[in-house]
Amino acid sequence: SAVISQKPSRDICQRGTSLTIQCQVDSQVTMMFWYRQQPGQSLTLIATANQGSEATYESGFVIDKFPISRPNLTFSTLTVSNMSPEDSSIYLCSVSMNTEAFFGQGTRLTVV
Amino acid sequence: AQRVTQPEKLLSVFKGAPVELKCNYSYSGSPELFWYVQYSRQRLQLLLRHISRESIKGFTADLNKGETSFHLKKPFAQEEDSAMYYCALRGGTSYGKLTFGQGTILTVHP
Repeated sequence: SAVISQKPSRDICQRGTSLTIQCQVDSQVTMMFWYRQQPGQSLTLIATANQGSEATYESGFVIDKFPISRPNLTFSTLTVSNMSPEDSSIYLCSVSMNTEAFFGQGTRLTVV
Repeated sequence: AQRVTQPEKLLSVFKGAPVELKCNYSYSGSPELFWYVQYSRQRLQLLLRHISRESIKGFTADLNKGETSFHLKKPFAQEEDSAMYYCALRGGTSYGKLTFGQGTILTVHP
C-alpha cells in the first residue's frame, strides 16, 4: 500500500495568484497522478507525472495553467496558476500500486 | 475513448434493504473495473475490483461485458454504508490512470 500526504489541505486564494500543492508518498513510485474534482462533479485526471520527464496532460489541461514538478520518485507538486473562481475545486494526488490506486486527502481550493 | 456512467447521483434506502448502485461503461478493449468509496471526512479508497471477484463489507460487483455494466450490490444495507461511491475504469494502456463515473451518494436511513 501507499500513504500519501498532501498539503495544504485547504486554502482560500485571491484570483490572479498561484498556489502550489505538494504530494509526498511513503514509497517510490514511477507515476503520480493529479486529479481535479469540481463541486458536484466527478474526478477528472489533469496529468500524469513521471520522474525525469515532462508531465503528460489530458485534453483540456495545459502546462502553463497547471505546471507540475516531479523531482524524485516520492514527491510531486502541482501549481494552479493565475487562478480564477472556476479553479475552485478539490485537487487530489494519486499513485497506483499493484493495480490499486491510492489517494491523498485532497486540497480544497477556493478562489475569491 | 473510455467513459463511465453512474446514472444515480443520489440513492436512499432504509437499513436492511437491498441496495444496487449502477455503473455502465464504454471501452473498446478489456477494461479493469473498480468501485471506490469515500466515507465522510475520509479519503477515497478502493472498495473492490472486478478481477478479485471478492465480497468486501458485504458488497459484490459482477462485470457484465454484454451489458457493459459493473453494478455494485449489497443484500442488506447498513447505516455505515452511507458514503460516496465511484465506479472507475482503467483501460489496458492507461498506465494506471483511472476514468471515474460521476459518483453516487448512498444514504442508508435507520
